[in-house]
This record gives sequence, structure tokens and C-alpha cells, in this order.
Amino acid sequence: QQQVKQSPQSLIVQKGGISIINCAYENTAFDYFPWYQQFPGKGPALLIAIRPDVSEKKEGRFTISFNKSAKQFSLHIMDSQPGDSATYFCASKLPGNTGKLIFGQGTTLQVKP
Amino acid sequence: DTAVSQTPKYLVTQMGNDKSIKCEQNLGHDTMYWYKQDSKKFLKIMFSYNNKELIINETVPNRFSPKSPDKAHLNLHINSLELGDSAVYFCASSQNPWIGTEAFFGQGTRLTVV
Repeated sequence: QQQVKQSPQSLIVQKGGISIINCAYENTAFDYFPWYQQFPGKGPALLIAIRPDVSEKKEGRFTISFNKSAKQFSLHIMDSQPGDSATYFCASKLPGNTGKLIFGQGTTLQVKP
Repeated sequence: DTAVSQTPKYLVTQMGNDKSIKCEQNLGHDTMYWYKQDSKKFLKIMFSYNNKELIINETVPNRFSPKSPDKAHLNLHINSLELGDSAVYFCASSQNPWIGTEAFFGQGTRLTVV
């Protein structure tokens, strides 16, 4: 019930294209849904996050779409650039004071020039 | 100024040894974490500390012992290292775990047990 399932595992997109990564969760108690970006040899860094009372959030080329009834959320990267090539993780936070994030399995994105 | 810093970045050691990883954050956050990233890049929380108090221990073997001397530091000590402990360990911190705020991660410590 605490799992977060992420797909696809890997993704290859041409420069300028749209990258879409999907996540599904089971626990309706999750109250915060961030996306993290990780470059090789670095720690994950927050890209964008959403709360369950919002259906969409956009920051620059990055958009989260959130479907509460389907228990799914997705990351859209518009006009994908080679510099976006990285591993992306969705996550979900349990309520309470732990701050515990449950991560998806990760998606390795390669943007070809 | 690095927000969350860990040392060392790389650690190669033999089975059975004891090792420590240090973490410091200069963000003034009350909550700190240890995450483990395995060879498939899967990230899983190990421990969470709030104001030096342990609030999560995710069924981690008791060979792993976190210690928080103050709010800015969270160290991880590992006894009797095993091959399966090889992974990248990330320290992180966040300001408000109740509402969900950005977790800042360190650059990681790649532990290799031989």
C-alpha cells in the first residue's frame, strides 16, 4: 500500500520533444508529491512538487498533472533538452511528522540532440 | 556554501570493518534523513531524525546506528560491514516534514564493501 510505481524505466526523446513520466500510488493518505532530478554522481534535487488539492502545476518547461481519483500523477517536460538527460524520481509523502518520502523506481531520460 | 554535505564521497572497505559517514546541513532544518540508493538506483529511507530525536527506523539492521549530536549533524555508523551494504548513502534535510517541503540531499557517499 505504500508503493509508488513509476514508468517507463527508461525514455529516449529527441531534442525539442515532450518527455512524459508516469507514477501511480495506492495510499490515498499521501499528502505531497514531489519529482526529483538526479544527475550522475549527484544527489537528487527537487524539480517540482504538487499537493493533492491541485490538478496541475507548471514551472517553466516542467508540468505535473495530478489525477486524484485515478491515484496517478505525471511529469511532462516540454521542449526537452540534452541537459535534461538525467534520472527522474517521483515520490509520495506520508502524512505526519516523519517527512518520509516513498520513491518510485526512477526513469532514466536521454534527450538526443 | 554547500547546503548538505557528506563525507567521505567514496568509501572502500573490507567486509567486517566498521565505518562512519558524516553529514552536516547549514540550512537550519530540524529534520534530517538517511536514504540508501541501491545498484538499481532505488531510493529508500533508512532513518529520520527530528530535533535530534529518532522518528523513523525503517527495519534497518541494527549494525546501522545513526547519531545526531545536534540539529545540524546526522552521522551514520555501520558495524561489521557486509557485501550487501554496498550502495550510495544520501543524507538529506527538510524544513517542515508535516506539510512536505523540499528535501535537500547531499552528494552521496558511495560505499563499496569488498
